[in-house]
Amino acid sequence: DVKVTQSSRYLVKRTGEKVFLECVQDMDHENMFWYRQDPGLGLRLIYFSYDVKMKEKGDIPEGYSVSREKKERFSLILESASTNQTSMYLCASSLRDRRWTEAFFGQGTRLTVV
Amino acid sequence: AQSVTQLGSHVSVSEGALVLLRCNYSSSVPPYLFWYVQYPNQGLQLLLKYTTGATLVKGINGFEAEFKKSETSFHLTKPSAHMSDAAEYFCAVTSLGANNLFFGTGTRLTVIP
Repeated sequence: DVKVTQSSRYLVKRTGEKVFLECVQDMDHENMFWYRQDPGLGLRLIYFSYDVKMKEKGDIPEGYSVSREKKERFSLILESASTNQTSMYLCASSLRDRRWTEAFFGQGTRLTVV
Repeated sequence: AQSVTQLGSHVSVSEGALVLLRCNYSSSVPPYLFWYVQYPNQGLQLLLKYTTGATLVKGINGFEAEFKKSETSFHLTKPSAHMSDAAEYFCAVTSLGANNLFFGTGTRLTVIP
């Protein structure tokens, strides 16, 4: 089974802190994604990466950055956390040729910024 | 541009009753359509998908959906609801070569004993 593991299920951070959300997949997938989920808004794409050190902005990249130094790991970084970044964050991965058709999701990280 | 609309943010059904969750899509190219389920405090799990071929798609846990191009719809159904079906369901659309998988706002299904 494909496994996408997010390092934390729940995080509480203070405004202004630098926050790292980590995601690891064990199926040698080329593509990795970060989504943000908010009630009434569904899931929105923040960033995705199609290879090591490669990244593309999604729909809502403002306030976020990402890092992909190794194929299996994709990090989402909040440079200076703000309360409007309180949300559920979901990581996903997929094979190169099945970018969107077979995406596997992690369990999510619920981030609260106080 | 592509988008999906899920009618009804909350749907309640009795145990054993038909489940019908509605999804309409907008796409200027042939769509790929998906239904995902999210149980409380969990990630998303793929229920079923339509890419090409047969328009009636069967998924896990007894769910199925039918792609109707003329109606731009991809409604999710299950003949008999079970308590374990209580969850949030997301419809999504993309296409060949697209740069995103676009999600609807979700429908929370409650099953009443």
